[in-house]
Amino acid sequence: QKEVEQNSGPLSVPEGAIASLNCTYSDRGSQSFFWYRQYSGKSPELIMSIYSNGDKEDGRFTAQLNKASQYVSLLIRDSQPSDSATYLCAVNIGRTGRRALTFGSGTRLQVQP
Amino acid sequence: SAVISQKPSRDICQRGTSLTIQCQVDSQVTMMFWYRQQPGQSLTLIATANQGSEATYESGFVIDKFPISRPNLTFSTLTVSNMSPEDSSIYLCSVDEGAGTEAFFGQGTRLTVV
Repeated sequence: QKEVEQNSGPLSVPEGAIASLNCTYSDRGSQSFFWYRQYSGKSPELIMSIYSNGDKEDGRFTAQLNKASQYVSLLIRDSQPSDSATYLCAVNIGRTGRRALTFGSGTRLQVQP
Repeated sequence: SAVISQKPSRDICQRGTSLTIQCQVDSQVTMMFWYRQQPGQSLTLIATANQGSEATYESGFVIDKFPISRPNLTFSTLTVSNMSPEDSSIYLCSVDEGAGTEAFFGQGTRLTVV
C-alpha cells in the first residue's frame, strides 16, 4: 500500500463546476496535510495546508480533512481553465523526527472551457 | 514565505560527468530537502540536508551518488555524480521554517543526461 494515494485522473470538469480531488494516507500519526498545484514544467506551488479535522476555506479552494478515515480532499469551486494542472497531495508522515513530505502521485485536472 | 533560488534552472550533461545544483534561501531555515521528480512521476525525497552534519538519505539514495552540502542555514548543494540517462529528472530544493509549517519549493533544475 502506498503511503499517500491519489487517483491519477485525468479529472475533467466543465468551466464553472466544482472539482473534487481526493487523497488517502496510510499513517494514522500524520499531522500535516498539503495540496500543491503543479503546472507542466514548473515546480509545485502550495495552495492549501490543513492540520485539523474539518474544512478550511481560502477563496475558491476548500480543503477537507478526516483523520479517522485518513482522508483529505480539495474542492475547487467555479473551476477555471487556468486551474488545469496536476494537484499533488502531500503528507507529513508521522515518523519521529521526520519533517519531509511524502507525496501522492498527483491528479491531473482538466477544466474544459 | 521564504524565497528560494535554485540554479541552474536546466542543464544538458554528458553521461559520466557530475552536476552540482545550488539552493539559496533568503532567510535562515531549519530544514532543507532535496527531491527528485522523474518524468511523469511525483516527487521522491532524496535526502534531508542537515546544517553542520551529514545529510540523511532516503532508501535507494546514497551519498556517493548524491553528495549534499549544507554549510549554513541559507544554502545547500546537491551533486548528481557519474550521471547516466536514468538521472534525467527535475531536481527540487524545498525548505520549511519549523515543525508543522508549510514547505516551499525552488523553481527546480531540469537535468537531461545524454
